[in-house]
Amino acid sequence: GQQLNQSPQSMFIQEGEDVSMNCTSSSIFNTWLWYKQDPGEGPVLLIALYKAGELTSNGRLTAQFGITRKDSFLNISASIPSDVGIYFCAGPGKLIFGQGTTLQVKP
Amino acid sequence: DAGVIQSPRHEVTEMGQEVTLRCKPISGHNSLFWYRQTMMRGLELLIYFNNNVPIDDSGMPEDRFSAKMPNASFSTLKIQPSEPRDSAVYFCASSQVRYNEQFFGPGTRLTVL
Repeated sequence: GQQLNQSPQSMFIQEGEDVSMNCTSSSIFNTWLWYKQDPGEGPVLLIALYKAGELTSNGRLTAQFGITRKDSFLNISASIPSDVGIYFCAGPGKLIFGQGTTLQVKP
Repeated sequence: DAGVIQSPRHEVTEMGQEVTLRCKPISGHNSLFWYRQTMMRGLELLIYFNNNVPIDDSGMPEDRFSAKMPNASFSTLKIQPSEPRDSAVYFCASSQVRYNEQFFGPGTRLTVL
């Protein structure tokens, strides 16, 4: 079956630093989604990507749909404390989720 | 516009008891999904409905789990009898288009003692 490999598993950074995380798939996707989950809440959609090579921004967040259609990247610029949470990538086909990247930001 | 509504937010029960989780999807969404989240297994899709019809329940762990969607604005996930290993956070999500851009509820944290 389809598998998603998300990395890194966790990150501990200083406020103001940039963050980069990625997700790879064992098969070709036609959609990539990035979600963020705050503690005690459900995942919230950040960015949706529908086209290979697509680069989409949402404030300080930028995500890219890899050319191979088997990977995607999420970057966060100038991190702030409220960026803390778990970031999930997800693909279509029953919306398979990656394992998540736990981000901690030190003020 | 209200998001996905789930109730209860927390449920503590004893092993063997029946548990019913409830979900109200976003109005106008025609797909509804039930997920379970644990530290060990992450987010797992249990079942999803399209236009109130169950499409795929292959993620339902066993016969103790059942889900219904009697109308477009309500769904239930029932566990009978509950076991300690069912302890998890259960999320409901809805979308306009199957699979894509799902909107999640706040979840129900279930503890089975």
